[in-house]
Parts: sequence; structure tokens; C-alpha cells
Amino acid sequence: GNSVTQMEGPVTLSEEAFLTINCTYTATGYPSLFWYVQYPGEGLQLLLKATKADDKGSNKGFEATYRKETTSFHLEKGSVQVSDSAVYFCALGNSGSARQLTFGSGTQLTVLP
Amino acid sequence: EAQVTQNPRYLITVTGKKLTVTCSQNMNHEYMSWYRQDPGLGLRQIYYSMNVEVTDKGDVPEGYKVSRKEKRNFPLILESPSPNQTSLYFCASSLKSGNTGELFFGEGSRLTVL
Repeated sequence: GNSVTQMEGPVTLSEEAFLTINCTYTATGYPSLFWYVQYPGEGLQLLLKATKADDKGSNKGFEATYRKETTSFHLEKGSVQVSDSAVYFCALGNSGSARQLTFGSGTQLTVLP
Repeated sequence: EAQVTQNPRYLITVTGKKLTVTCSQNMNHEYMSWYRQDPGLGLRQIYYSMNVEVTDKGDVPEGYKVSRKEKRNFPLILESPSPNQTSLYFCASSLKSGNTGELFFGEGSRLTVL
């Protein structure tokens, strides 16, 4: 079946530091990959997505590249801000499944001023 | 404003007392789903619905019921809550059930069962 593995958190960085949150997946077929973000007290919202191999999703300074050869979709940002503090979820959607997304366990990011 | 609305946002109840968490979306979405979020486990799907009167089990359906009588509403029913159902619950919807569709989430309902 499908599964998503994210790096363990929590992650604490200083403002303007470089961020990487690792995500690897197991899936059949050709899944789409997503990063969702959950700010404190809110629901999840889509941050970026990639629908095929070698696609790069980007939004708000965050990027992730769909790497089929390494089954990975790592999230990166060159310079984090305090406002980026949130929980980040990697997710996978398989076109063969009607059940929508499979989520990773989430990575808590705290950015200190 | 396009949104998914859940109620209540916070609830403390006791074992065995039936409760319903409501979910409503105003985007005319076909697909709706319920998740629970627990520390270290991420989001796990409870039930989902492809359209009116079409529902199916997700990964952790035990102890829950749902119904989809109208397109906009998808209530989650706990007939006899137990402490292991203490969790943060999210309702989500999308235009279609396809995997490239964006999921829109409600703000969550934090349930404590004593």
C-alpha cells in the first residue's frame, strides 16, 4: 500500500536559516505529491504540489522536487521566517485510489527570531 | 468566502454519550472526508464520501458513523464515545475525488472523552 515517511521533528531554526524537511514515499503507479502546512489553531492548507516525476512545486519561497528515482519529495526554503513556524505534512495521492491522500506524520517547525 | 465549517470546535464529553460533529462546505464539492489527527500518527482517514448517499470506510472507521444526505453536509457521529476517540478531528472537501485535487480543511474539532 501507500505510505509516506517524514523526518522526525521537532525542528528548531533561527530566522534566515536554510530549511530541509525530508519526505520519502512508497506507492504503486504514478502518484501526485503534496506538502500541506498547518499553522497553530488552524486546519491544513495546501502549500505546494507536483503531479509527475521531475516536477518542482513552489509557493511562498518553499520548493520541492518530485524525484522518482529516490522516491522523495523534500521540502526546502532558503531563508525561513518566524511566520513559517507550523507543522508540515507530506502527502501522496494515487490515481488508482478513490480515498484521496495518504499523509505523513508531520514535522513541527519552530523558527526563532 | 469559500470554507469548510466544523462544529463544535471544542467538546468535552463522557464515555457513552452520543455526539455529532457537523461539517458543512459552501463550495459545491463532491468529495468530503473526515480525518483524525493524533501525535506521531499524522492524519488518518475515518470515512469519506464521493457524493450524496455514497460513503465508505477509511483507515480507522471503528466507532464512527457518517451520513451524506445533502451535498454540503457530512456529519460525523460517535454513537458511544470512548476515551481512545479523544483526538483532533478535521473535515475536508475537494471538488472531485481525484488525487490531483486540492483538499480544503476545516479548522478542526478537539474532542475529549472522559
